[in-house]
Order: sequence, then C-alpha cells, then structure tokens
Amino acid sequence: DTGVSQNPRHKITKRGQNVTFRCDPISEHNRLYWYRQTLGQGPEFLTYFQNEAQLEKSRLLSDRFSAERPKGSFSTLEIQRTEQGDSAMYLCASSKLMGDNNEQFFGPGTRLTVL
Amino acid sequence: GDSVTQMEGPVTLSEEAFLTINCTYTATGYPSLFWYVQYPGEGLQLLLKATKADDKGSNKGFEATYRKETTSFHLEKGSVQVSDSAVYFCALSDSRGAGSYQLTFGKGTKLSVIP
Repeated sequence: DTGVSQNPRHKITKRGQNVTFRCDPISEHNRLYWYRQTLGQGPEFLTYFQNEAQLEKSRLLSDRFSAERPKGSFSTLEIQRTEQGDSAMYLCASSKLMGDNNEQFFGPGTRLTVL
Repeated sequence: GDSVTQMEGPVTLSEEAFLTINCTYTATGYPSLFWYVQYPGEGLQLLLKATKADDKGSNKGFEATYRKETTSFHLEKGSVQVSDSAVYFCALSDSRGAGSYQLTFGKGTKLSVIP
C-alpha cells in the first residue's frame, strides 16, 4: 500500500514566482481532492476531480490557482505569481467513491513558503 | 453553507484522564461525520466516522456518536495515553446524491497528554 504521495514536501519561493505541486493518489481511487491548510486552521477545500474531469473549481482561491489531472491519475496544482498570503500547507486526498463511502486518504502535504 | 465548530484548544490532560472534544455542525443535507487526527510531523489520518444518525464510530479506544437532534459528534476516550497527543479535526461531508463529498473541517483541537 503506497498511499497518497505529494512532491515536493517543502517549497520555498520568492513572491511573484510560479510554483507547481504534484499529487499521486492511491492507484484505484477515482476521486482526487486538493485542500489548503493555514496555521491553526483546518483544511479548506479547493477543488476536486473525478477521473480526469474537474467537477468543482469555484472554491479555488483566485484565478492564479489552477489544477489538472490529465490522465485521471496524478494531479498538479499550480499557483502563478505567488503572494506571501499563499504560504500554507497544500494537501491532496483521494477516495474511491462507492455508494456513500467517501473515506478520503490524505497525503503528507506540500508546505509552501513565499518570501 | 456547511460548517463545523469544535472545541478550542489546546487541551492538556494527564495520562489515563477522560477526554471529550466537542464538535457541532451545520449542514443542509444529510452529512457523514468524521474525526481525523494529525500526529506531529505526519499527515491527516481518519480516526473514525459515522454515516447516519445514531451511528457510533469507534477506533483505538476513541468513540463518537452522530446526534442529529443536537447536531453534534463529540469525541471521547476513557483513558488517554501520551501517544494520543495530536491535533484532532472534526469534519463533515454531504453524502447524498452526486455531490462532491468534499470535507468541511473544524479548526482542530490540539491535545497534549502528559505522563
């Protein structure tokens, strides 16, 4: 069982740069979620995919944020023109939707620091 | 919209003490309820869940009962151990229809157990 993996684990960037994070879900999971967690807060939903289709993206924080899952397997989250307020932990989760079972398995997260 | 309110921490207990972490929710549908735990340096892990009213979720000595009448899902453990020191998150997802099943989290409660 390889679990959900995320890369990189840490990213430090300067304001204005673009960053991209990768998430590899559990292989048989068809749903993939992105969340953001800031210090002292619970994770906040950003977007999700069912297979390669992005079914909800209205919660992405601004048009600087975008996500893809081109072949229904791994996903990337890109932040363009980063700002200091983007500093946070970015979490990926996956699930295998079966009826009402929505147990989401989380990756270790990518910690972004924008200087 | 959906929301989760949980007891603010931090909570500090002596080993073998009784633990209660309160959680209440607001939801328009029929949510499933979850407790996730985040141990120091690790990712979020599902601790327990309940999918309908009066269900009791349990795991590792922790329990929580889905109370629709009080919209609550309080976490309890009869005798905590030092190894239970972690941040605990209450969460919900709408489990009806073709929804996103995104998780809505509370802010988290940090528990420290001292020997």
